[in-house]
Amino acid sequence: DGGITQSPKYLFRKEGQNVTLSCEQNLNHDAMYWYRQDPGQGLRLIYYSQIVNDFQKGDIAEGYSVSREKKESFPLTVTSAQKNPTAFYLCASSITHGNYGYTFGSGTRLTVV
Amino acid sequence: EDQVTQSPEALRLQEGESSSLNCSYTVSGLRGLFWYRQDPGKGPEFLFTLYSAGEEKEKERLKATLTKKESFLHITAPKPEDSATYLCAVQAGRDDKIIFGKGTRLHILP
Repeated sequence: DGGITQSPKYLFRKEGQNVTLSCEQNLNHDAMYWYRQDPGQGLRLIYYSQIVNDFQKGDIAEGYSVSREKKESFPLTVTSAQKNPTAFYLCASSITHGNYGYTFGSGTRLTVV
Repeated sequence: EDQVTQSPEALRLQEGESSSLNCSYTVSGLRGLFWYRQDPGKGPEFLFTLYSAGEEKEKERLKATLTKKESFLHITAPKPEDSATYLCAVQAGRDDKIIFGKGTRLHILP
């Protein structure tokens, strides 16, 4: 079945540590997105990519980095510069950027310990 | 500033009690409005896309409608399995930015 796979489901980060969240899709979608979800807030866009080897900052990109070396993969690194990283992270994809609904992954819950 | 506001924040209904969820928006250049369902600890699941005022879409007990200022998600004779958070999102602007509302938590009591 086609879909988006996020891993791991749960991730624990120590202070000062960088961690990478994986996102893989087999839908042949061009566009991919990373969102952060916090209780009582709407989804906030971190980064998005419309095509391989290209990506743009979203509303809350500080402390995060991404790469898009393959169409299927869009990993997100949460760096030590992100001061409040505890959240639920969602990866999504779309056929192209604009006018299409997203397919979301099942999410990664990141906790700082 | 572009905004998407969902109301109510939470709604408890008895099984079979029909109701509506509201999504009002203030954006420039609406390209599309999306509804998603999200179960606890999971990613949102796509329900509907609406593109223009007057458009309606239906799926089982759900019906989404769109006006120039808001969208409604009507739930007819809901069942406990319809309990979830329903998210509204709007795509607008020159960069096709998508803005999500905070969601409505729906709880259907058996």
